[in-house]
Amino acid sequence: GQSLEQPSEVTAVEGAIVQINCTYQTSGFYGLSWYQQHDGGAPTFLSYNALDGLEETGRFSSFLSRSDSYGYLLLQELQMKDSASYFCAVRGVVYAGNNRKLIWGLGTSLAVNP
Amino acid sequence: DAGVIQSPRHEVTEMGQEVTLRCKPISGHNSLFWYRQTMMRGLELLIYFNNNVPIDDSGMPEDRFSAKMPNASFSTLKIQPSEPRDSAVYFCASSSEDSLTASPNTEAFFGQGTRLTVV
Repeated sequence: GQSLEQPSEVTAVEGAIVQINCTYQTSGFYGLSWYQQHDGGAPTFLSYNALDGLEETGRFSSFLSRSDSYGYLLLQELQMKDSASYFCAVRGVVYAGNNRKLIWGLGTSLAVNP
Repeated sequence: DAGVIQSPRHEVTEMGQEVTLRCKPISGHNSLFWYRQTMMRGLELLIYFNNNVPIDDSGMPEDRFSAKMPNASFSTLKIQPSEPRDSAVYFCASSSEDSLTASPNTEAFFGQGTRLTVV
């Protein structure tokens, strides 16, 4: 089967650093994405890793190790507005015509406390 | 662009009624996805269209669910008859994907979702 594992909940305080891990088991791998979703809102794209290493975008960074089937999202200088759910998603199975299926984790609920 | 537009935002219906959810993808995007989100099951892909053609409908729960994409700017997801267990938030998302090169880092843009309650 295909699955992505990420913690269900993480709690941190303002100004801290938090790391949300994601391990995956998929048929084929073409990249790991991270999405943020606030309560009542839609998922929005945060970052993407196709190759091993760290990608940095402001306070957020994402890391990938393909040999370990593992990635993480690092959030620095946490703010209250970062309280949201964070989803990892992997492009895995290839359909006909090279279209690739995005497989989602169940999400990590991050609570940032003052 | 206004982004992916879904309607209605909220729908409350009685069991057995037909429900139709609508989606207008971002202009120029050639891939469209319908997702269902619940606390228990997370985000589930129901169906994926590329260039208006259904590529994967393996996530459609049962024959009560059907989806169409008559043109590049409109898609519908229909549930007939609806049941209480269909209550969820339904998201439509679109992206720009080249099926030949399949650039893998194409970002999916989500609509604001339709919150469906079947009583």
